[in-house]
Amino acid sequence: EVQLLESGGGLVQPGGSLRLSCAASGFTFSSYALTWVRQVPGKGLEWVSSISAGGGGNTYYADSVKGRFTISRDGSKNTVFLQMNSLRAEDAAVYYCAKSFICIGGRCHYSFDYWGQGTLVTVSS
Amino acid sequence: EIVLTQSPATLSLSPGERATLSCRASQSVSSYLAWYQQKPGQAPRLLINDASNRATGIPARFSGSGSGTDFTLTISSLEPEDFAVYYCQHRSSWPLTFGGGTKVEMK
Repeated sequence: EVQLLESGGGLVQPGGSLRLSCAASGFTFSSYALTWVRQVPGKGLEWVSSISAGGGGNTYYADSVKGRFTISRDGSKNTVFLQMNSLRAEDAAVYYCAKSFICIGGRCHYSFDYWGQGTLVTVSS
Repeated sequence: EIVLTQSPATLSLSPGERATLSCRASQSVSSYLAWYQQKPGQAPRLLINDASNRATGIPARFSGSGSGTDFTLTISSLEPEDFAVYYCQHRSSWPLTFGGGTKVEMK
């Protein structure tokens, strides 16, 4: 059974940092791209960042987080991370980790068949 | 950035009725469009991939159609568990974007 378990959310002051983790199980971790999507409670979904399969040589970011957030993956721990620096009030949201639907020959479809339950990030002084 | 516009924002229907949800892209996304269902307090669930392919375990009453800039998600006969918010998402290019959602509520 595929499982994605996010952790690391919490309350942080504006300008502060948090590191989110997503522990994956139930599939061949290295074979799939992984993505972070966020959602302000009661609002819509916003793509944040994606990392390619394998060693994660390709990373992608929304303009709203570029230069402040860093996505990475650790194959030895089957975990993907989102390092969030210089946090702003508008970064407050539930952050979901999601697995790409399919990857063939290293090329992944960035639609998402499994999602974690999310971790809440609150940015407030 | 490709903007996805979903309509209507809210759809008020009764169980057994047909639901037709629209997603329009600001430029062509070919067939690289997915649909998700989200219920309160839950993560999104993939319904349709690449415009018309039902994901594993998705009932046949859900169908997707369209290509280019205009897409439709149809629920042929609403079941009580189908009342939720539905989002479209493209994977045509970076950045990925989601539509603003359509809430299907019980009339």
